[in-house]
Amino acid sequence: GENVEQHPSTLSVQEGDSAVIKCTYSDSASNYFPWYKQELGKRPQLIIDIRSNVGEKKDQRIAVTLNKTAKHFSLHITETQPEDSAVYFCAASKDTGFQKLVFGTGTRLLVSP
Amino acid sequence: DGGITQSPKYLFRKEGQNVTLSCEQNLNHDAMYWYRQDPGQGLRLIYYSQIVNDFQKGDIAEGYSVSREKKESFPLTVTSAQKNPTAFYLCASKTSGSSYEQYFGPGTRLTVT
Repeated sequence: GENVEQHPSTLSVQEGDSAVIKCTYSDSASNYFPWYKQELGKRPQLIIDIRSNVGEKKDQRIAVTLNKTAKHFSLHITETQPEDSAVYFCAASKDTGFQKLVFGTGTRLLVSP
Repeated sequence: DGGITQSPKYLFRKEGQNVTLSCEQNLNHDAMYWYRQDPGQGLRLIYYSQIVNDFQKGDIAEGYSVSREKKESFPLTVTSAQKNPTAFYLCASKTSGSSYEQYFGPGTRLTVT
């Protein structure tokens, strides 16, 4: 089955710096890659996603890139702010419709003022 | 915090007892999911359901059971056969329409001693 690896497990940056979180997946049939943010004590929320027919997607300070050949995708956060501090999870799925997601193990991002 | 609810927020049980976790959604979503979250392991899929009266095992279904008698409800029973039941349990739902997002509930933290 699908396996998703996520690195780093923790990431500390200064406010205003950029942060990059990387994920690799094993199943070449996967075609949908979401990123979820989970703040302390709260539920995970979708922040951005990408489908396999697209190489990059941006939403304000957040971007995701996908390299299908290498089977890896990355989350990029620019101009980080303290409120970006949270745990970020990547995931992969073979089906956007029903979506049996396989999640990475999470990255704890700490943005220091 | 409307949309998808889980109760209770904290649950304590003695070893050997079955316990049922509630998940209700008023989003009219067809698909519902149960995940288990452990420190450093991300979210792992326990069971999922696409429609009423139908559900499938996820990656870690052993020791768990579910039912889907109503579209709005997807309760999870943690049985005494689950060897390590102490964890944070998250329920999610998703529309079968054009949105790809899985909406998560607030979670139930189960402690078994």
